[in-house]
Amino acid sequence: AQTVTQSQPEMSVQEAETVTLSCTYDTSENNYYLFWYKQPPSRQMILVIRQEAYKQQNATENRFSVNFQKAAKSFSLKISDSQLGDTAMYFCAFITNRDDKIIFGKGTRLHILP
Amino acid sequence: NAGVMQNPRHLVRRRGQEARLRCSPMKGHSHVYWYRQLPEEGLKFMVYLQKENIIDESGMPKERFSAEFPKEGPSILRIQQVVRGDSAAYFCASSPVGQGQSEQYFGPGTRLTVT
Repeated sequence: AQTVTQSQPEMSVQEAETVTLSCTYDTSENNYYLFWYKQPPSRQMILVIRQEAYKQQNATENRFSVNFQKAAKSFSLKISDSQLGDTAMYFCAFITNRDDKIIFGKGTRLHILP
Repeated sequence: NAGVMQNPRHLVRRRGQEARLRCSPMKGHSHVYWYRQLPEEGLKFMVYLQKENIIDESGMPKERFSAEFPKEGPSILRIQQVVRGDSAAYFCASSPVGQGQSEQYFGPGTRLTVT
């Protein structure tokens, strides 16, 4: 079965701090893409960062970076210098090369406190 | 280039009524996906369509739910005889090619409330 586990249902950090959201996944496929999506109160799904499984180098996107450990099937998201606008639900997800559906975790609700 | 459009954004139906959710993919995209998000849950895949074809409906409930993507016009997700458990946010996504080869772009979602 293909699954995504986000072990932190909710987190709170002070503005400007660094926060790491955890994610583990399970798939028997070797070629896949991993994603972190942000869902603010507007409910729009916003792609934050994407990682190709065949790439060893961790993806970065401004203040967002990932720690991708393929052997451990771990894909954590680090947000540096957190801002109030980062308050949202964050979903970890993946899709395999041979599939057509994205598998999502249950999400982590992140609060950035002023 | 306009993004994925969904309408209505909010839909209220009484139990037993029908709900029709519409999705217009991004220009040039011929692959459409529907996902459902129950309260406090992640998105779950429902169905994958190309023009005039259902490719994968493994996530669709067996009864009352149907989807289409006609040659002309938007994709439609239809829920007949809605029940309270159908209350959820329904997201549509589109991509230029299928099978995980490219990113799926999400629309803003339709929030269905069944009273």
